[in-house]
Amino acid sequence: DGGITQSPKYLFRKEGQNVTLSCEQNLNHDAMYWYRQDPGQGLRLIYYSQIVNDFQKGDIAEGYSVSREKKESFPLTVTSAQKNPTAFYLCASSSYRENTDTQYFGPGTRLTVL
Amino acid sequence: RKEVEQDPGPFNVPEGATVAFNCTYSNSASQSFFWYRQDCRKEPKLLMSVYSSGNEDGRFTAQLNRASQYISLLIRDSKLSDSATYLCVVNPLENAGNMLTFGGGTRLMVKP
Repeated sequence: DGGITQSPKYLFRKEGQNVTLSCEQNLNHDAMYWYRQDPGQGLRLIYYSQIVNDFQKGDIAEGYSVSREKKESFPLTVTSAQKNPTAFYLCASSSYRENTDTQYFGPGTRLTVL
Repeated sequence: RKEVEQDPGPFNVPEGATVAFNCTYSNSASQSFFWYRQDCRKEPKLLMSVYSSGNEDGRFTAQLNRASQYISLLIRDSKLSDSATYLCVVNPLENAGNMLTFGGGTRLMVKP
């Protein structure tokens, strides 16, 4: 089955630790995105990548880093510099070939800082 | 002013009711519009795209009003399973790398 997977589903982190969230897609999509969602809030864009080996900052990139070494994978690292990392993290992808800007989401990772 | 604004609700309606949500957007150059549905603690899922001519999918109807810069979602014959948060989503610029802007969502609760 084609889709987007994220792991882990739940993640607990101690203050001062870096953690990496995984996002993989087998949809052959070119673009991938990371969003953060806080309770009762909309999605805010952290980083996006339109092509392998290239990525751009979104609206709230401070304290986060990404890489895009493979088309299928777009991991997000939440660094200790991120002041308030507890949130629901969503990865998405989209295809330029389908001539649509619809984004498809993974199931999300819920990060809690202890 | 937020780029995409929605009434957060909740909208509490009985089963079988018709309910409508509106969403306003600030960028008049916006090109693409969507409604996504998000269940509690789950990822958003595409409900429908919104076309200039309006579109209907079963009990759901979406309309776009470019002059007033709003889109709407109408749900007829509400089901308990329609209870969710509905996200209004806009692509503010053409060829902007598929960038989307999300509203904060409108929560719908359908009661028996």
